[in-house]
Amino acid sequence: SQQGEEDPQALSIQEGENATMNCSYKTSINNLQWYRQNSGRGLVHLILIRSNEREKHSGRLRVTLDTSKKSSSLLITASRAADTASYFCATDRSHSGNTPLVFGKGTRLSVIA
Amino acid sequence: DAGVTQSPTHLIKTRGQHVTLRCSPISGHKSVSWYQQVLGQGPQFIFQYYEKEERGRGNFPDRFSARQFPNYSSELNVNALLLGDSALYLCASSLTSFIVGELFFGEGSRLTVL
Repeated sequence: SQQGEEDPQALSIQEGENATMNCSYKTSINNLQWYRQNSGRGLVHLILIRSNEREKHSGRLRVTLDTSKKSSSLLITASRAADTASYFCATDRSHSGNTPLVFGKGTRLSVIA
Repeated sequence: DAGVTQSPTHLIKTRGQHVTLRCSPISGHKSVSWYQQVLGQGPQFIFQYYEKEERGRGNFPDRFSARQFPNYSSELNVNALLLGDSALYLCASSLTSFIVGELFFGEGSRLTVL
């Protein structure tokens, strides 16, 4: 089963614009992670935000976490054509036991040059 | 340093056959997880192994099995293949015994069942 649900399913923007993707989840988490996948290849870890954190930055990436709403957002600023990929949120509920990282269905981002 | 390596990268099988997929984790990583990703979906957890012991299993039938070797490499076996087993199979390694923190993924093995 999938814990996280990304929104929107697909997003198309012009180069230079900002892209915002949202993730909602159902149960309490230890941390939430965002991954990127280029065209059916392996996933690459982007950023991890712990349940006691509200915002985190990494380069052009900004992630927020609202545990009261059980939601997170990923903002990519000044997007580039190379940012075209699928983005997945993944929730870690390991504080509840030895549970796996659970991925959402992803948001497909297209950045048009 | 080499990342997570998987083999084969692509393979085609027919229904009823079996398949073995292989994974070598990053040097020093003792945990290996397997995920199945059907086209258009997110990865679904299949197994996690740590120190050669199964530490987690997803909602997959007994046709799926795995093991981890003393060098921490891993195999995923699928018997009696069905059309629905067609997917990208991803291996991920991590440092710790619990499935927490960052996962490092390989490029995957794309299985097509005809």
